[in-house]
Amino acid sequence: AQSVTQLDSHVSVSEGTPVLLRCNYSSSYSPSLFWYVQHPNKGLQLLLKYTSAATLVKGINGFEAEFKKSETSFHLTKPSAHMSDAAEYFCVVRNGQNFVFGPGTRLSVLP
Amino acid sequence: DAGVTQSPTHLIKTRGQQVTLRCSPKSGHDTVSWYQQALGQGPQFIFQYYEEEERQRGNFPDRFSGHQFPNYSSELNVNALLLGDSALYLCASSLGSSRANEQYFGPGTRLTVT
Repeated sequence: AQSVTQLDSHVSVSEGTPVLLRCNYSSSYSPSLFWYVQHPNKGLQLLLKYTSAATLVKGINGFEAEFKKSETSFHLTKPSAHMSDAAEYFCVVRNGQNFVFGPGTRLSVLP
Repeated sequence: DAGVTQSPTHLIKTRGQQVTLRCSPKSGHDTVSWYQQALGQGPQFIFQYYEEEERQRGNFPDRFSGHQFPNYSSELNVNALLLGDSALYLCASSLGSSRANEQYFGPGTRLTVT
């Protein structure tokens, strides 16, 4: 079965500094991987997805993620954090017809 | 183009009661999945409906059941509610035949069981 691990439950950065949210996956075959963001009292929004095309995936709002098979990782990055990036971020692996979510990483952005 | 919609937004029920939650998928989508998100946790897959049948099911008891209608909308039913059923229930829609199969989520229904 597929699974994901998000190594940090909470990450705090200053506005304008880089963001790194870490994700490792476990999969018996080439996975489909996603990052979703959840703002307070709002639904989940897709940031980006990897489906065995380019290993560097660009998403919305300046986020990108790199698929590294040798490290079984799919870390999410952004060069410069904005206050509006403060939210909960979920790394997701597709397992058959459904999605398996990681526990989430809460990103705080300090002024 | 409306996205995924869910009703009601909030719901308060008493232990032992039954509840029905509703979901309308994004236009053009034929597959609906339901997730339970407990406070401070990631969503957990309950089940998925495609062509009016349950296609895949997560590790949830039979108290959780669902239905998909010919217009692709769906209902989630929970019987004999427990305090532990209090959570945000998310509906997601997708295109069943799509290889990428990304899912679009609704805003959720927050269920409180007292």
